[in-house]
Amino acid sequence: SAVISQKPSRDICQRGTSLTIQCQVDSQVTMMFWYRQQPGQSLTLIATANQGSEATYESGFVIDKFPISRPNLTFSTLTVSNMSPEDSSIYLCSVGARGQETQYFGPGTRLLVL
Amino acid sequence: QKEVEQDPGPLSVPEGAIVSLNCTYSNSAFQYFMWYRQYSRKGPELLMYTYSSGNKEDGRFTAQVDKSSKYISLFIRDSQPSDSATYLCAMGGGSGGSNYKLTFGKGTLLTVNP
Repeated sequence: SAVISQKPSRDICQRGTSLTIQCQVDSQVTMMFWYRQQPGQSLTLIATANQGSEATYESGFVIDKFPISRPNLTFSTLTVSNMSPEDSSIYLCSVGARGQETQYFGPGTRLLVL
Repeated sequence: QKEVEQDPGPLSVPEGAIVSLNCTYSNSAFQYFMWYRQYSRKGPELLMYTYSSGNKEDGRFTAQVDKSSKYISLFIRDSQPSDSATYLCAMGGGSGGSNYKLTFGKGTLLTVNP
């Protein structure tokens, strides 16, 4: 399985600021994904990031709020913009595996917005 | 009705017990079924993966899929305190042929007491 790291592992931010989360994979992968995990809720897919094309966002998530970069096959970033306390959550990146039928996850970034 | 239903627990069992974790789903198009284990403050770890009805065994873990009833289960034999974690069911292949989209249950928190 791929080894995935995320930075930062946690952060406390002020309302109205932005945070960029980095995801690094130890091998080249076609598809990378960004999820949000809120307490008591299911893992929710924010967007799919393919190298060389615009990210594909799920219903309820927009590029202005969650801009994503995918400069190469081993790296992606997710920015949480103009944060509010409702953005407090765990943000996870994952990569496709087994022909994209399943996914491996990074350790997550724990974000608290005050 | 949510696409995937999972009892959040919490579930507390003594060491050595057999644990049964379950999910039901409504989308008959799902083709791939997974169980993830998530320790506190860690990312989800892929535990079991299957794509057909029936049982799949891996050590102390058995994944069971019943497509006719839209029901999947994870059994843990001889449970250990190290099995204490949140268990997430996930399903894929149900979104218009897109294999990569996974739909998750909310997770069941399991505690195995020594």
